[in-house]
Amino acid sequence: GIQVEQSPPDLILQEGANSTLRCNFSDSVNNLQWFHQNPWGQLINLFYIPSGTKQNGRLSATTVATERYSLLYISSSQTTDSGVYFCAVELSQGAQKLVFGQGTRLTINP
Amino acid sequence: DTAVSQTPKYLVTQMGNDKSIKCEQNLGHDTMYWYKQDSKKFLKIMFSYNNKELIINETVPNRFSPKSPDKAHLNLHINSLELGDSAVYFCASSQEGAGGQETQYFGPGTRLLVL
Repeated sequence: GIQVEQSPPDLILQEGANSTLRCNFSDSVNNLQWFHQNPWGQLINLFYIPSGTKQNGRLSATTVATERYSLLYISSSQTTDSGVYFCAVELSQGAQKLVFGQGTRLTINP
Repeated sequence: DTAVSQTPKYLVTQMGNDKSIKCEQNLGHDTMYWYKQDSKKFLKIMFSYNNKELIINETVPNRFSPKSPDKAHLNLHINSLELGDSAVYFCASSQEGAGGQETQYFGPGTRLLVL
């Protein structure tokens, strides 16, 4: 099946720093989403981004579908950005399931 | 006005018991899902339903039986609970668009602990 790999597995930064999280996938995808799981366990949808670039405040994401990767950028990190960031892909139209990467655990220290 | 809701949020029970988790979405979506997150935070699809019909069953034991009374509800019943069933169970929903399923929205999760 499709492989979804995220890097780095862990990232510890000071407040105010910028970061880039990467998601590589092994096959063509129909759908790609980025999620933030906060320390209370809630999964928050950040981006639906099968291709192209999107921005939402301090966060932006870029997916290069032809090269099978996506990047999540977080600028001017805040302590509330801490948590686990997941990339998830839907393999093809009609697959009707997301395959998740193992996540990147981000810790922002004050 | 919660989009995807689950009950209960926490469930602590003994091995061998039977329990149910309920999920409701008010987004008008036609597809609903159950995912399991294990102790290492790995998230995996269990079931997918489209308009009340089972689409995906990812080799989940028969002790797990999803039921969709209507397209806004997808419940999960678990028989004869085992220690290994301890996990966080997430319900999600999405709408099918021209290019396939669109954004999936997740519920708050149900934390199941089997003693």
